[in-house]
Amino acid sequence: SQQGEEDPQALSIQEGENATMNCSYKTSINNLQWYRQNSGRGLVHLILIRSNEREKHSGRLRVTLDTSKKSSSLLITASRAADTASYFCAPSTGANSKLTFGKGITLSVRP
Amino acid sequence: EAGVAQSPRYKIIEKRQSVAFWCNPISGHATLYWYQQILGQGPKLLIQFQNNGVVDDSQLPKDRFSAERLKGVDSTLKIQPAKLEDSAVYLCASSLKGRTRQETQYFGPGTRLLVL
Repeated sequence: SQQGEEDPQALSIQEGENATMNCSYKTSINNLQWYRQNSGRGLVHLILIRSNEREKHSGRLRVTLDTSKKSSSLLITASRAADTASYFCAPSTGANSKLTFGKGITLSVRP
Repeated sequence: EAGVAQSPRYKIIEKRQSVAFWCNPISGHATLYWYQQILGQGPKLLIQFQNNGVVDDSQLPKDRFSAERLKGVDSTLKIQPAKLEDSAVYLCASSLKGRTRQETQYFGPGTRLLVL
């Protein structure tokens, strides 16, 4: 299975702190994507990192990818209460770019 | 740009009944996906369409689930008959081409199904 496995399962931090979330996967990928899901809503794409990239930034987000370790991390800097959500990593594999989601990380940012 | 539209937003049925969900992808998106998300889990791909053809339905329980995408635009996902374990959120997503291997998917708000 290409399922991304996120770690930790839950994370609670104070507003203004940084949040680091990790993801591991099993075999070769086209890319790895991170999505956010607010309670009761659909998923929102955050960032895509290609298999030949090592680091990527988007606003307060920083994603790293280590293909030798088959792992990725998502860093959210200067967190806000509005960042409270579930975060999913999704490795993309195959010619059809199939995404396989893990169980997600529940992030709570306390005001 | 309008997002992915889904209806209904909520549905409650009894087991053994039938139910259908509708999805309208972003205009011009060739690829459409249906996912099932059980509470506490990540979304699981049920079926992927490229235009009006199926490219992956390996995880679709074909004895009770069916999906179609007539004319390569809107799509309908049907469950007949429903079981208790079908209670979940059904998410529709679309992407522009689905063939570049570097595309993102855009998700609709989902349909929350409760089977009693």
